[in-house]
Amino acid sequence: ELKVEQNPLFLSMQEGKNYTIYCNYSTTSDRLYWYRQDPGKSLESLFVLLSNGAVKQEGRLMASLDTKARLSTLHITAAVHDLSATYFCAVLHSGGGADGLTFGKGTHLIIQP
Amino acid sequence: DTEVTQTPKHLVMGMTNKKSLKCEQHMGHRAMYWYKQKAKKPPELMFVYSYEKLSINESVPSRFSPECPNSSLLNLHLHALQPEDSALYLCASSQDPGGAQNIQYFGAGTRLSVL
Repeated sequence: ELKVEQNPLFLSMQEGKNYTIYCNYSTTSDRLYWYRQDPGKSLESLFVLLSNGAVKQEGRLMASLDTKARLSTLHITAAVHDLSATYFCAVLHSGGGADGLTFGKGTHLIIQP
Repeated sequence: DTEVTQTPKHLVMGMTNKKSLKCEQHMGHRAMYWYKQKAKKPPELMFVYSYEKLSINESVPSRFSPECPNSSLLNLHLHALQPEDSALYLCASSQDPGGAQNIQYFGAGTRLSVL
């Protein structure tokens, strides 16, 4: 059974600080996704990571993937209040095809001025 | 355009009612999904349709019945639900089920309350 674990589950930080969210998964997968969800809203796709060593950056967010360690990280640089949200990592159930996603429990991020 | 449209946005129903949730996308995506999300929990997969055929059913109770009338439309028929079925129901679609990225784009969801 595929398991996806995120930590921390809750993070309160100040604007301007840096922090990293970790995502571990239990079985081999070559696709790792990061989503953002604002309260009461749907999920917004942030990144898809397809291969070992993949790194993607968008603004103050940077995601990386280590398939050998089955670990992905989401790094936040110089946080701003607008980044407050819940962040989920997710892994496809299998290596391809029309498979569903298994999500981590999510990291609830609060960025305070 | 990565829009997935879900209706209604909110739904309140009794345990004896029959209702349907609707999901539509006009992006030419060939896979569509239903997820259930309880408060402060991650989404959980319910069903996957690939090329209009049901490919995954995650052991969902029969009171939930999916339907994919065409490649743009996905329905979820509800009957004799229980209060514990109250949740946010999310629809998603992806372009090519076998494609490299297979990013799933989510709709805004239907918030369901079962009384």
